[in-house]
Amino acid sequence: NAGVTQTPKFQVLKTGQSMTLQCAQDMNHEYMSWYRQDPGMGLRLIHYSVGAGITDQGEVPNGYNVSRSTTEDFPLRLLSAAPSQTSVYFCASSKPTGGAANTEAFFGQGTRLTVV
Amino acid sequence: KQEVTQIPAALSVPEGENLVLNCSFTDSAIYNLQWFRQDPGKGLTSLLLIQSSQREQTSGRLNASLDKSSGRSTLYIAASQPGDSATYLCAASIYGGATNKLIFGTGTLLAVQP
Repeated sequence: NAGVTQTPKFQVLKTGQSMTLQCAQDMNHEYMSWYRQDPGMGLRLIHYSVGAGITDQGEVPNGYNVSRSTTEDFPLRLLSAAPSQTSVYFCASSKPTGGAANTEAFFGQGTRLTVV
Repeated sequence: KQEVTQIPAALSVPEGENLVLNCSFTDSAIYNLQWFRQDPGKGLTSLLLIQSSQREQTSGRLNASLDKSSGRSTLYIAASQPGDSATYLCAASIYGGATNKLIFGTGTLLAVQP
């Protein structure tokens, strides 16, 4: 059981470049989320989804886009990377389909992104 | 706005000691509270989940308690081992439609000395 898989693990971008961070889960979870982790700030919610075709903004959504075309995948897009987006990004999933909403969240191993 | 605070920010203890990590939150309207462990350069590993209707959960040497009325949760680690060295994060799951949005504390960095 792979759980939550994120790719790539490391990435260096130049300012203005675009890229997509991939996230996939194989637990048939309805909820998926993206967080960023910065020193002294803790993890902050970027975007989240409660099911295929449904997304919403979290605490720090500016500069990021998401879509959810399938239950399994929830990619995070940076349209024009900025140095302020240098961070570690984590994807999480929870709530088995048909299960209770307040269930345990599972996290991927993270993507360490540097924008120069 | 929900805020989650963890004290202390860092803790160093000798092996074998029992210890308590603290987590406080400002809004008692939570679905649940979850404790995670994070090793350097790694992802988050879930340790314990306490539902809003529960008072505590136990897993092996770990025991987590929840007091919604006072806005506090504690993680108790018994007989600490060097392998317990990591950053421990607590996260409150807040109300907001049919979601499970987590608000994280900034963590407690634990070092267990052999």
